Amino acid sequence: AQSVTQLDSQVPVFEEAPVELRCNYSSSVSVYLFWYVQYPNQGLQLLLKYLSGSTLVKGINGFEAEFNKSQTSFHLRKPSVHISDTAEYFCAVRDNYGQNFVFGPGTRLSVLP
Amino acid sequence: DTAVSQTPKYLVTQMGNDKSIKCEQNLGHDTMYWYKQDSKKFLKIMFSYNNKELIINETVPNRFSPKSPDKAHLNLHINSLELGDSAVYFCASSPQNTYGNTEAFFGQGTRLTVV
Repeated sequence: AQSVTQLDSQVPVFEEAPVELRCNYSSSVSVYLFWYVQYPNQGLQLLLKYLSGSTLVKGINGFEAEFNKSQTSFHLRKPSVHISDTAEYFCAVRDNYGQNFVFGPGTRLSVLP
Repeated sequence: DTAVSQTPKYLVTQMGNDKSIKCEQNLGHDTMYWYKQDSKKFLKIMFSYNNKELIINETVPNRFSPKSPDKAHLNLHINSLELGDSAVYFCASSPQNTYGNTEAFFGQGTRLTVV
């Protein structure tokens, strides 16, 4: 079984500052990794995903994430945030054979003016 | 065109009632899911169907019964609603892929409030 940890439940950051949202996972098999964003009163939207290959993946809205197998991490970064990035961010894993997506508890990113 | 659509978006009902939430996807996906998001935003899988067959059935009270009339639809029926059922319920779909390397697409959610 897989599990996902997002250590920071809330991250406040000033506009135009860089941000990193942390994600660690545990699994006994190879996994695929995802970051989703949820804006208020909306569904989840995919930001980016890691399937294989280059460990640095780029997504929408200027976000990127780096897969680190030895540290079982998949941290999300953005060099300069905007007010509009204020949302809940979820890290998720899916194993090679399973159909299920296991989500972390989420990180609330608040961008301050 | 909405890829994964759920109805209704909001549902307020009294304890003890029976209600249904409908979900439809027009992406041609084989797999559909129901997730529950509690007040702390935690997302938990409830059910998953693949080509109309139940493949994941997490520990959920048997008052919750999913129904998949075809692979484009997955409805959720809830009997004898309780206060603790209040949450946001998300439907999602993904293509069937043996290697699991595809993402899930989510609906906008149904906010269920039991009073």
